[in-house]
Amino acid sequence: GQNIDQPTEMTATEGAIVQINCTYQTSGFNGLFWYQQHAGEAPTFLSYNVLDGLEEKGRFSSFLSRSKGYSYLLLKELQMKDSASYLCAVREVNTPLVFGKGTRLSVIA
Amino acid sequence: DTGVSQNPRHKITKRGQNVTFRCDPISEHNRLYWYRQTLGQGPEFLTYFQNEAQLEKSRLLSDRFSAERPKGSFSTLEIQRTEQGDSAMYLCASSAGFRGTYEQYFGPGTRLTVT
Repeated sequence: GQNIDQPTEMTATEGAIVQINCTYQTSGFNGLFWYQQHAGEAPTFLSYNVLDGLEEKGRFSSFLSRSKGYSYLLLKELQMKDSASYLCAVREVNTPLVFGKGTRLSVIA
Repeated sequence: DTGVSQNPRHKITKRGQNVTFRCDPISEHNRLYWYRQTLGQGPEFLTYFQNEAQLEKSRLLSDRFSAERPKGSFSTLEIQRTEQGDSAMYLCASSAGFRGTYEQYFGPGTRLTVT
């Protein structure tokens, strides 16, 4: 099974850059996902990593190191609308996603 | 709207009653998942289907919970003899496959309150 850890809360300033870390333990890694979830809404897909390295998508980037069991989500040019929970989720071979508890990000002016 | 839909959006029920939720996935998606989410937690996997076959059930899914996907399209999740601990958001998601970047698309959820 997986054990996924991410910080509970973070605060950052509008226009800044923030990095949300995720560490995991798994026996058969088959991909890592990041989802964004605004309060009271469903999670929406942000990024997917299965190989080591950085995946960039506009203001959002996600990094993976499989040997370290580590990923981060990088958000640039923060906007107030980025205030949300960010969920790290890991998939093992032939199993569904397992989500971390999420990191609640507050963007302040 | 061609996304995942769930009904009802909210359900308030008394302890001991049965409730049933419905999920309509994106039409070409063959995989359908049910999750439960409580405040401050990430979604917890309950069960999933590939077409009409239920492939896995979490140990979280007690005997009071049952899910079906009779024709490989919509799915229902029934909770019998509800308990206050069942109060949560029940999320449904679908995906076009399992390997690679087949991300899951989530529905808006059904918020269950057991009084």
